[in-house]
Amino acid sequence: KQEVTQIPAALSVPEGENLVLNCSFTDSAIYNLQWFRQDPGKGLTSLLLIQSSQREQTSGRLNASLDKSSGRSTLYIAASQPGDSATYLCAVRRATSGSRLTFGEGTQLTVNP
Amino acid sequence: SQTIHQWPATLVQPVGSPLSLECTVEGTSNPNLYWYRQAAGRGLQLLFYSVGIGQISSEVPQNLSASRPQDRQFILSSKKLLLSDSGFYLCAWIFGQGAAGNTIYFGEGSWLTVV
Repeated sequence: KQEVTQIPAALSVPEGENLVLNCSFTDSAIYNLQWFRQDPGKGLTSLLLIQSSQREQTSGRLNASLDKSSGRSTLYIAASQPGDSATYLCAVRRATSGSRLTFGEGTQLTVNP
Repeated sequence: SQTIHQWPATLVQPVGSPLSLECTVEGTSNPNLYWYRQAAGRGLQLLFYSVGIGQISSEVPQNLSASRPQDRQFILSSKKLLLSDSGFYLCAWIFGQGAAGNTIYFGEGSWLTVV
């Protein structure tokens, strides 16, 4: 059974700092890994999708890496801003039947002005 | 462009009452559809998924059921709500029969409080 863990559970940083969020998964047989952002009481917004054959994806100040063999992904946020405050979730999609996603518990990020 | 609509946004229901949450997707056809639940302080749990009309798969045994009466409509229901059904419910879809490379898109969610 796939298990996804995110560390840390919560993170508070001053504005302008570069930061790294971690995601680990137990079964390396995945199709892809996706990072999401969730604002309080809102749905999820997809940030980056990394296919199993890829090593990283970049979008603006965000960079996500994937090391499938070790079961790890990181989300790097450069020059953090107060508007980045949200919960960040990672999810892996199985390589077996169907298209189920397994989510981590999320990292709650607070960027202080 | 594709959009996903979910309603109601918030709901307060007494224990034992019925539930119906509705989700519709526009701008695509034959999507894979999903219902997730997020309990307070917890991660997302997959409840149901559907690959086509009338085809429902349940991930966990529970007090809820799902139906897909039309291609782009997905309904989450309960005949009698329990306190433990409280949570944040999210509908989601993937384009192209769940092809491996595709992004999953989520609705805005429905807050359910059972009292």
